[in-house]
Amino acid sequence: ETGVTQTPRHLVMGMTNKKSLKCEQHLGHNAMYWYKQSAKKPLELMFVYNFKEQTENNSVPSRFSPECPNSSHLFLHLHTLQPEDSALYLCASSQEETQYFGPGTRLLVL
Amino acid sequence: QKEVEQNSGPLSVPEGAIASLNCTYSDRGSQSFFWYRQYSGKSPELIMSIYSNGDKEDGRFTAQLNKASQYVSLLIRDSQPSDSATYLCAVRLAGNFNKFYFGSGTKLNVKP
Repeated sequence: ETGVTQTPRHLVMGMTNKKSLKCEQHLGHNAMYWYKQSAKKPLELMFVYNFKEQTENNSVPSRFSPECPNSSHLFLHLHTLQPEDSALYLCASSQEETQYFGPGTRLLVL
Repeated sequence: QKEVEQNSGPLSVPEGAIASLNCTYSDRGSQSFFWYRQYSGKSPELIMSIYSNGDKEDGRFTAQLNKASQYVSLLIRDSQPSDSATYLCAVRLAGNFNKFYFGSGTKLNVKP
């Protein structure tokens, strides 16, 4: 394991549901990321937090809402998602040059 | 637009052969280069990083960087079936410490 954990590992939700993804890193890193990975597409950077401050929002729809209460925890709040939001959501952390990924949450929106 | 291009494959090589994976990038400001391995259903795992022109070796893996030609490659010697995975190339721009750009990956199949 890389020291980055994510829960839940699998999630099925309806378009009217509200759910949250959680990420925790035990590596003492100061930056945390959310990525979306869809089939046959590059990893899409969604959000970056550096020392709890959001430094990147890559034109992500407002139905995705990140929260970073401290340098070790990162959340992605989901509401009124669409079927095309079904994907693998990866959390990562980094210190300087190197990124480490969590195991991901496989999300299915029905 | 910052682009990282990879051939999607699949690249098929016999066991014991050298697998050669290539990646090109569009932004000359790219400073740091990474190769990740991703097994099906798993998250990316860092294999190699390279920052200066030339070769960098780590066990069976060699990363090669040519900034003038804007490409980075990964060679896997003595390929094993366990190397079968998708290999992702990533770059980071100078001055943008927390932003990484990924290619869509090359699927490698190593046949026993």
